[in-house]
Amino acid sequence: SAVISQKPSRDICQRGTSLTIQCQVDSQVTMMFWYRQQPGQSLTLIATANQGSEATYESGFVIDKFPISRPNLTFSTLTVSNMSPEDSSIYLCSVEKGTGQETQYFGPGTRLLVL
Amino acid sequence: GQNIDQPTEMTATEGAIVQINCTYQTSGFNGLFWYQQHAGEAPTFLSYNVLDGLEEKGRFSSFLSRSKGYSYLLLKELQMKDSASYLCAVKTGGGNKLTFGTGTQLKVEL
Repeated sequence: SAVISQKPSRDICQRGTSLTIQCQVDSQVTMMFWYRQQPGQSLTLIATANQGSEATYESGFVIDKFPISRPNLTFSTLTVSNMSPEDSSIYLCSVEKGTGQETQYFGPGTRLLVL
Repeated sequence: GQNIDQPTEMTATEGAIVQINCTYQTSGFNGLFWYQQHAGEAPTFLSYNVLDGLEEKGRFSSFLSRSKGYSYLLLKELQMKDSASYLCAVKTGGGNKLTFGTGTQLKVEL
């Protein structure tokens, strides 16, 4: 498995501001993922972040709104830009690990409330 | 598109057995995962099926039929701590993308 930490664990932000969420893994991983989980909903993939290349965004998510950095194999950041109350959600990072049975393991999540 | 269906809620009795079903229609298939998520916590990995059949791991078992697009998670000897949301997720595409179902909220009662 993998030990994953996220910062901040929660935040309350004002409309129009931006928040950067950090994700740190205890070992090198090739693939990192960012998900959003809105209240009472399941997880929706925002983007896949690979080191050394641009993140790949899913339909409905764009780089200007959710810029991602992946400077090395153990760290990634997701920025939620120009926030609105609709961005209130839990943001989770995950990593894929395993040999022959690659499994995604999730960080504890960042709870974001936008006022 | 991708479509993954699970029942929204289930209730079961402590000590009993419960089966949570998941049906999927996806473009491509590289495996099916089950996760458990307690309220306010991150999902934790339970099981992975890529071939047809039953995978058993302690009190939890998971079954897959690729031809039917069907999986189930079987929980035996239910405990109160098993009350949680259970998420079915299918891995599709070359990018190892996971698509999640809406989750099944399981409530275990005395």
